[in-house]
Amino acid sequence: DIQMTQSPSTLSASVGDRVTITCRASQSTSSWLAWYQQKPGKAPKLLIHKASSLESGVPSRFSGSGSGTEFTLTISSLQPDDFATYYCQQYNSLLGTFGQGTKVEIK
Amino acid sequence: QLQLQESGPGLVKPSETLSLTCTVSGGSISSSSSYWGWIRQSPGKGLEWIGSIYYSGSTYYNPSLKSRVTVSVDRSKNQFSLKLSSVTAADTAVYYCASPRAIFGVVPFWGQGTMVTVSS
Repeated sequence: DIQMTQSPSTLSASVGDRVTITCRASQSTSSWLAWYQQKPGKAPKLLIHKASSLESGVPSRFSGSGSGTEFTLTISSLQPDDFATYYCQQYNSLLGTFGQGTKVEIK
Repeated sequence: QLQLQESGPGLVKPSETLSLTCTVSGGSISSSSSYWGWIRQSPGKGLEWIGSIYYSGSTYYNPSLKSRVTVSVDRSKNQFSLKLSSVTAADTAVYYCASPRAIFGVVPFWGQGTMVTVSS
């Protein structure tokens, strides 16, 4: 299986901050990488697929980049609704695997 | 808009079979090129694909769970189901039904999730 490692595990930030989360794959996933946002008690919500394609309805302050084994999710100006846990998922291999999550908390 | 809703027991005894059903609304489970699947989330293992089924009936399972998993479809009820046998405490998790874009791919549609605890 392809292992996905996110960093940091926890991130403390303030409203208006620019936030970057990194996801590294144990082997190349090309651009087959998605990002999700999850709030407590809720299912994950798909934000980005194919590394940089924004899902319909997702605010443009979210962006994704990268290819191969290193990817980033950037929130250009953190909003109160963005405090949540973020997960990456590779879907290049037959068995899609998720990162362990990055919790974005209020500083 | 596709909506999914899990149902089933919240408590299962060790060594027994966990059974969950997902009811689909806002779309047909028989739609061509549609996929349906199950994902679970536990503190220890994070998010983990369990199994997936194509509209044709072809199934795909996580190799680590394959010997214990069955995913099936009931077209008459617009539902699909998960059976996980010989459960242990390690199977305690929130179970989500999902509609991915491919076998174990990107998931735009999720159920709300149901907590299943394995305990005697």
